[in-house]
Amino acid sequence: QSVLTQPPSVSAAPGQKVTISCSGSSSNIGSNYVSWYQQLPGTAPKLLVYDNSRRPSGIPDRFSGSKSGTSATLGITGLQTGDEADYYCGTWDSSLSAVIFGGGTKLTVL
Amino acid sequence: EVQLVESGGGLAQPGGSLRLSCAASGFTFSNYEMNWVRQAPGKGLEWVSYISSSGTSIYYADSVKGRFTVSRDKAKNSLYLQVNSLRAEDTAVYFCARLGVSGSYYFDSWGQGTLVTVSS
Repeated sequence: QSVLTQPPSVSAAPGQKVTISCSGSSSNIGSNYVSWYQQLPGTAPKLLVYDNSRRPSGIPDRFSGSKSGTSATLGITGLQTGDEADYYCGTWDSSLSAVIFGGGTKLTVL
Repeated sequence: EVQLVESGGGLAQPGGSLRLSCAASGFTFSNYEMNWVRQAPGKGLEWVSYISSSGTSIYYADSVKGRFTVSRDKAKNSLYLQVNSLRAEDTAVYFCARLGVSGSYYFDSWGQGTLVTVSS
């Protein structure tokens, strides 16, 4: 059971938009920055968003992040079949003194 | 180009040991804080350990504290994880990951991982 809660799966059609939620508490998301990672099948995770909403260079603006209170959201617009992957949120938990991740969300592009 | 290449994984018996390595290139290794993150088969990500750029600050997840030891070698541009007293639940792909520089806890570069399997 992960400290951060994500939906196990989401799906949408190519070209559409999808959002993935990440719910936590005051000791983690509520007081620390959130990051998001994409893990394509059989590969290492890749940073998509950091500091709640900043994108590393090379990440297209189809990917966006936001945070409100103790929840964060990853948005993906203009879905492509190549976006099919597992997506994880992560943050620091001040009570646990540890980096924590959500359980992951599998995105299917129908 | 930033590259992180792990090695040292393999099959170990319960109670056994392994030494994982991560060779870094494409950046000034000594300037960055580094981490190990693992992923059990079919499961999510779990942070394992952190080491500061100087090596003087070290932290572990409760699940590995007292059994795993992280270290780094500036001259060899390498990160290590000594894993002892292995348990079946330590079976996972172990990734080395570089901590980002904005001041918050995120991992901006990852290696491809090395698989540790604990079984008799």
